[in-house]
Amino acid sequence: AQSVTQLGSHVSVSEGALVLLRCNYSSSVPPYLFWYVQYPNQGLQLLLKYTSAATLVKGINGFEAEFKKSETSFHLTKPSAHMSDAAEYFCAVSGVPSGANNLFFGTGTRLTVIP
Amino acid sequence: ETGVTQSPTHLIKTRGQQVTLRCSSQSGHNTVSWYQQALGQGPQFIFQYYREEENGRGNFPPRFSGLQFPNYSSELNVNALELDDSALYLCASSRAGGRGPYEQYFGPGTRLTVT
Repeated sequence: AQSVTQLGSHVSVSEGALVLLRCNYSSSVPPYLFWYVQYPNQGLQLLLKYTSAATLVKGINGFEAEFKKSETSFHLTKPSAHMSDAAEYFCAVSGVPSGANNLFFGTGTRLTVIP
Repeated sequence: ETGVTQSPTHLIKTRGQQVTLRCSSQSGHNTVSWYQQALGQGPQFIFQYYREEENGRGNFPPRFSGLQFPNYSSELNVNALELDDSALYLCASSRAGGRGPYEQYFGPGTRLTVT
């Protein structure tokens, strides 16, 4: 079974500060991990994905995440927050390499950027 | 390239009624997944269709059913609506057929309110 836990339902950072959104996963098979962003009244947009290649994954909009098997973590970071980063962020895991690759999502972290 | 589209954007139904939501997949994609996102929660997997066949199902009752058409568009049907069915319903398309994971592209969602 696969699941993710996102620590912190709300995170506030100042503009220009480091963004750190936490995600821990549980998976009975080697996981595929994803971060999605959701802006108000919109669907989900993929930020980045881990597919067992490089453990440090770079995504869009300056975001990156590091897969740490020993810690079962896949935290999302961005060196300098921008006002446009304010949104809801979801971590997701998929452990099925074939067949229905359904995603299991965390409960989300709402990021607020303070000017 | 046309993205994933969903209709309608908003819908209000009465408890006990039936509803049909529609999704057009992205060009070249043969797989459609449906997710339910309750307010303040992460999306939950309902089911997936691949080449017109159900290819996996989450923990949802049989009154949630679906179809996929030859052009890979899809419908989600919910019978005997309950108040707890009020949510944002997201459709995601992907291109299966090789080694996973298959990146899922999400539509903007349909907001269903059951009164």
